[in-house]
Amino acid sequence: AIQLTQSPSSLSASVGDRVTITCRASQGISSALGWYQQKPGKTPKLLIYDVSSLESGVPSRFSGGGSGTDFTLTVSSLQPEDFATYYCQQFSIYPFTFGPGTKVDI
Amino acid sequence: EVQLVESGGGLVQPGGSLRLSCAASGFTFSSYSMNWVRQAPGKGLEWVSFISSSSSTIYDADSVKGRFAISRDNAKNSLYLQMNSLRAEDTAVYYCARDKLYYDILTDSYTGYGMDVWGQGTTVTVSS
Repeated sequence: AIQLTQSPSSLSASVGDRVTITCRASQGISSALGWYQQKPGKTPKLLIYDVSSLESGVPSRFSGGGSGTDFTLTVSSLQPEDFATYYCQQFSIYPFTFGPGTKVDI
Repeated sequence: EVQLVESGGGLVQPGGSLRLSCAASGFTFSSYSMNWVRQAPGKGLEWVSFISSSSSTIYDADSVKGRFAISRDNAKNSLYLQMNSLRAEDTAVYYCARDKLYYDILTDSYTGYGMDVWGQGTTVTVSS
């Protein structure tokens, strides 16, 4: 199974900060990666699909990048509603594993 | 409105069974692959099972293989998860989620690696 690691596991940031979260796969996964945001008590929300494509309705301050085994999710200017936990997920080979999550708080 | 609504969760004893359902509306259910994802209390997301649009392809996580069975009824716009031999570690909120993946004829490739529609979740508690 492909393992995904995320770093950092948590971070503290302020409104307006630029934040980057890294997701590393144990083997190459091509473009088969998505990013989700989950707020406490809420359903996960797809932010990015195919590594770098922005899901409809998601603010443009979110962006994804990377290739091979190393991927990033960047929030260009953190807003109050962005404080949440973020997960990456790979679809290259089943099981379609999630990363352990990165909690972004104040 | 595109919507997924899960039901069937509850309290069950270890070794027991439960059948979860997910009712889809607002989109052509038969055109999409579907997934079950779970989240144990205070933990991260765990992918559980995948079923293709025609039910021809099914994948299960090792943690549930041989105990859980995913299925669907396209005529009823419904997804199911039959859970047998339940264990305490199966305690979680279970979500059904639509697979965004589709085949793009223009680029002759698959695109849409992500799950774009999620239900609100149904809680399964395994305890004596």
